[in-house]
Amino acid sequence: NSKVIQTPRYLVKGQGQKAKMRCIPEKGHPVVFWYQQNKNNEFKFLINFQNQEVLQQIDMTEKRFSAECPSNSPCSLEIQSSEAGDSALYLCASSQQQDTQYFGPGTRLLVL
Amino acid sequence: GEQVEQLPSILRVQEGSSASINCTYENSASNYFPWYKQEPGENPKLIIDIRSNMERKQTQGLIVLLDKKAKRFSLHITDTQPGDSAMYFCAARASSGSWQLIFGSGTQLTVMP
Repeated sequence: NSKVIQTPRYLVKGQGQKAKMRCIPEKGHPVVFWYQQNKNNEFKFLINFQNQEVLQQIDMTEKRFSAECPSNSPCSLEIQSSEAGDSALYLCASSQQQDTQYFGPGTRLLVL
Repeated sequence: GEQVEQLPSILRVQEGSSASINCTYENSASNYFPWYKQEPGENPKLIIDIRSNMERKQTQGLIVLLDKKAKRFSLHITDTQPGDSAMYFCAARASSGSWQLIFGSGTQLTVMP
C-alpha cells in the first residue's frame, strides 16, 4: 500500500564510518518522518520534515546525524560516525496530512 | 515522555477464532491511533486507524475501538487465518503540535491451523 522508496535496502559499515540512506516520499506527501526500529522491535522517532524544513528532531539526531529533504531530490539521513548501537532498521514514512503515515521498506543497517 | 502500553506481547489463537490486542496511552490530547502489521523482514503496514471523533471503526475483519475516557484503544481481528500471523503495533500521535507516532511494544500474533 505504500509507495515510499528507500535505498539501499541493506547497509554494512564499520564503526566510525559514515552511513547514508535515502528516501523518496510518496508523491504529494509533504511530510517525511524517520524512525529507528531496533532488534527488540522498539521504535524511536528521529526527525521529521515538512517540505524542506525540519519540524522536530531528537537530541541524538541533532548531535550525530545529518538529515535533509531538498526539493526535487531524495530525502537523506546520514550517521556521521557509526556506532554498534546504530545497527537497526531505519524506516522512512511520508504523510499527506498530519496523521496517516505510510512506511517505506526500510534500510537495514549493520555496524560491525 | 509519552508512552503507549500494549498487551499482550504474545498471543496464540486457533484459526477461525478472534484475537484482541489492547493499548493504553497517556496524553488525553492524542487524537489519532493507527495499527500496523509487520511480517518478518518487512516494513510495518498500516491496516486500520481511528481518530478521536470516533469510538468504533471496522474494515475487512478488523475492528478498532477507542475509549477516550479510559485512554484505551483496541484491535479485534475476527475469524483469524494463518496469514494474520505477524507482529502488530499500536501507535498514538504525540501531543498536539507534534506529528510523530508513539508506538507500543508490539504483539506477536500466531494463528494456529
